[in-house]
Amino acid sequence: DAGVTQSPTHLIKTRGQHVTLRCSPISGHKSVSWYQQVLGQGPQFIFQYYEKEERGRGNFPDRFSARQFPNYSSELNVNALLLGDSALYLCASSVLAGLYEQYFGPGTRLTVT
Amino acid sequence: AQKITQTQPGMFVQEKEAVTLDCTYDTSDPSYGLFWYKQPSSGEMIFLIYQGSYDQQNATEGRYSLNFQKARKSANLVISASQLGDSAMYFCAMREGSRDDKIIFGKGTRLHILP
Repeated sequence: DAGVTQSPTHLIKTRGQHVTLRCSPISGHKSVSWYQQVLGQGPQFIFQYYEKEERGRGNFPDRFSARQFPNYSSELNVNALLLGDSALYLCASSVLAGLYEQYFGPGTRLTVT
Repeated sequence: AQKITQTQPGMFVQEKEAVTLDCTYDTSDPSYGLFWYKQPSSGEMIFLIYQGSYDQQNATEGRYSLNFQKARKSANLVISASQLGDSAMYFCAMREGSRDDKIIFGKGTRLHILP
């Protein structure tokens, strides 16, 4: 079975632009979480979606938004990009919300210039 | 205050030796879970081991074991018989409560296994 997939793998944007990152969970997984990992730091929680509803939100500005589709895939959108948004964006899925085992995808490396 | 503290930014260990990666945590929630993840240079976060706050026994998964000392709020990862492929970044993490999947990560420890 395929693991969590994310696209694109790498992305370069300029300040002020908008970006959309995509995530497909493992088949049968209904919960998707997004994390931002800045170089040299541990990942920070951005959002969790379960059954297409937002279940959790981290301390990120409103420029960050996400949604989950009926097939449980998810998009993370970031508006008005700042240099500080440059990071590895990780998506994780789990069968249900609250279960301990989350499977992470390979991430999308976003560079803002 | 830091929720997860990893005090070892980097470690060098000889191949085949055991290694202990330190982790302390801070929470007032009686229900929590503790995780260790491995992140190779490829960037993917690999789940290693989990310990629930109510688990009586220390968790073990193959060469990985979690030394859980609840009173000290400590959750050290022990890797036995280290291998060259163990060289990676290791993150300790915690989930408080059980409603959502928000996991709080530490800053990580970079482990180097020497041949």
